[in-house]
Amino acid sequence: DGGITQSPKYLFRKEGQNVTLSCEQNLNHDAMYWYRQDPGQGLRLIYYSQIVNDFQKGDIAEGYSVSREKKESFPLTVTSAQKNPTAFYLCASSIRDRGLDEQYFGPGTRLTVT
Amino acid sequence: DAKTTQPNSMESNEEEPVHLPCNHSTISGTDYIHWYRQLPSQGPEYVIHGLTSNVNNRMASLAIAEDRKSSTLILHRATLRDAAVYYCILRGIFGNEKLTFGTGTRLTIIP
Repeated sequence: DGGITQSPKYLFRKEGQNVTLSCEQNLNHDAMYWYRQDPGQGLRLIYYSQIVNDFQKGDIAEGYSVSREKKESFPLTVTSAQKNPTAFYLCASSIRDRGLDEQYFGPGTRLTVT
Repeated sequence: DAKTTQPNSMESNEEEPVHLPCNHSTISGTDYIHWYRQLPSQGPEYVIHGLTSNVNNRMASLAIAEDRKSSTLILHRATLRDAAVYYCILRGIFGNEKLTFGTGTRLTIIP
């Protein structure tokens, strides 16, 4: 089955710790994205990558970092510099980063930092 | 960035058609109109997209106004599984732009 997997589904961390969220896709998509969603809100773009070894900042990149060393993987690190890290994190991919390309979303990781 | 405006919430009876409106008065000629929906605690799901002409797929229909300043997502026969938040989004033809999800329309289906 092709799709996007995110792990874990729930993640708990203490304040001041960095944490890495996993995102893997086997759809052979070039473009991948990370979004953050807060309760009752829409999605906000953190980072996106149009191709391997390249990525761009989204609207709220501060306190986050990413890497794209493999086509199928786009991990997100939430650093201790992120002031309000508790949120629902969603990863997505699309064939290319073009206006007509639909995005496929993973099931999300709910991160709680206390 | 071109923005969209949607009603916060709508209700519809089960097995009846639903028309979800979206205004995008600042749309450019090369913006695609996308619709996604999100069930609670899940990632969004693609529904449909279009550029100028009306579009149909197995999930829904998309009606685009002639001046492209508004569009309507049509669910032909709502079921309880259609209860979700529906997002209307504009996407530039070359991508390379931030995909902006607003707060969407929360659709409630009444049995």
